[in-house]
Amino acid sequence: EVQLVESGGGLVQPGGSLRLCCSASGFIFSDYIMYWVRQAPGKGLEYISRIGLHGDGTHYADSVKGRITISRDNSKNTLYLQMSSLRAEDTAVYYCVKDSNNYYFDYWGQGTLVTVSS
Amino acid sequence: QSALTQPPSASGSPGQSVTISCTGTSSDVGGYNYVSWYQQHPGKVPKLIIYEVNKRPSGVPDRFSGSKSGNTASLTVSGLQAEDEADYYCNSYAGSKIFVFGGGTKLTVL
Repeated sequence: EVQLVESGGGLVQPGGSLRLCCSASGFIFSDYIMYWVRQAPGKGLEYISRIGLHGDGTHYADSVKGRITISRDNSKNTLYLQMSSLRAEDTAVYYCVKDSNNYYFDYWGQGTLVTVSS
Repeated sequence: QSALTQPPSASGSPGQSVTISCTGTSSDVGGYNYVSWYQQHPGKVPKLIIYEVNKRPSGVPDRFSGSKSGNTASLTVSGLQAEDEADYYCNSYAGSKIFVFGGGTKLTVL
């Protein structure tokens, strides 16, 4: 059974940093592109980042470019999202999402809440 | 990438059909047959209900169907049921393994 378990969320002050982790199991992690998608409270889904199979092929949405870094450790089956210079508008549930190897997302984690507030 | 355009709300009575539109550009919706739809109930994780414009994953009722014309994709829910009340998001491939979501549509079953 595919499982994606995010951790690392919490309350952080504006300008602060946070690292999110996503522990994957139930599939060959290194065979799949992975994504982070976020959802601000009461708002829609927003794709924010993508990483290729071997840590290459990274891409960032304009809203977060320069402030976040996506990475992965295939030996640990773990996806990361390093966030810095956080703003109030970064407050959201952050989902770890698995690519289907086609053109849609087939599995989502339960999400981890990041709250940016003083 | 700009978000795809969806109506903020839609509604219908039980048994009726409702169609939700999703408008993009020739760089996303119009350029690829890779539109997917996700259903999200309050407090829950999004669930895939349509992929590649009109394909349903196993377990998704055939009351859900998808289509596309030009730069606009559509999700139709036929025979509305109370449990269909949820938020619906379209998503399109936009090249280079990048995706863009719609703003979401809140479906209310009257």
